[in-house]
Amino acid sequence: AQSVTQPDIHITVSEGASLELRCNYSYGATPYLFWYVQSPGQGLQLLLKYFSGDTLVQGIKGFEAEFKRSQSSFNLRKPSVHWSDAAEYFCAVASNTDKLIFGTGTRLQVFP
Amino acid sequence: EAGVVQSPRYKIIEKKQPVAFWCNPISGHNTLYWYRQNLGQGPELLIRYENEEAVDDSQLPKDRFSAERLKGVDSTLKIQPAELGDSAVYLCASNDRMRITGELFFGEGSRLTVL
Repeated sequence: AQSVTQPDIHITVSEGASLELRCNYSYGATPYLFWYVQSPGQGLQLLLKYFSGDTLVQGIKGFEAEFKRSQSSFNLRKPSVHWSDAAEYFCAVASNTDKLIFGTGTRLQVFP
Repeated sequence: EAGVVQSPRYKIIEKKQPVAFWCNPISGHNTLYWYRQNLGQGPELLIRYENEEAVDDSQLPKDRFSAERLKGVDSTLKIQPAELGDSAVYLCASNDRMRITGELFFGEGSRLTVL
């Protein structure tokens, strides 16, 4: 069965520092992978997605993610974090039955 | 253009009471999803509609949960009777494609507290 693991429940970084959020997936075929962000009191918003092609994908708000098949990973990165990036981040994989399966999320806290 | 609209935003009820949540998707979006998000967890799919047809309701607890999308536009999710474990945020999402590879647009959610 498909699954997504986000090993970091909570991450704290200083504003301006780089960020990497980890995501590992379990899926037999080529996965469709997503990162969503959920700000307090807001709905989830798509940051970026990977279907095929270039393994480094660019998203909104300066985020990028790299698909590594050998490691079954799809880590999210940002070179310089802003205070407004504080939110909860969810990695997700699309199942073969067109179902989005989410990880448990990583809460990002940004200190000034 | 308006996003996905959900109501109510917050609901507090006592156990065994009924509750209903309403969702209006983005105009033109044929696919509508209801997700449940427990505290500290990612969203989990309850039901997916293609127009007015429920094409995936395998995760919907049918003994107490029901949903409808009569005219293929807005949708209602009902719980009757509610249990303590139903406390969660209920998220509605929509997209304009048949496949999950399209972007899902989420509403702000309806937070349910069952006392």
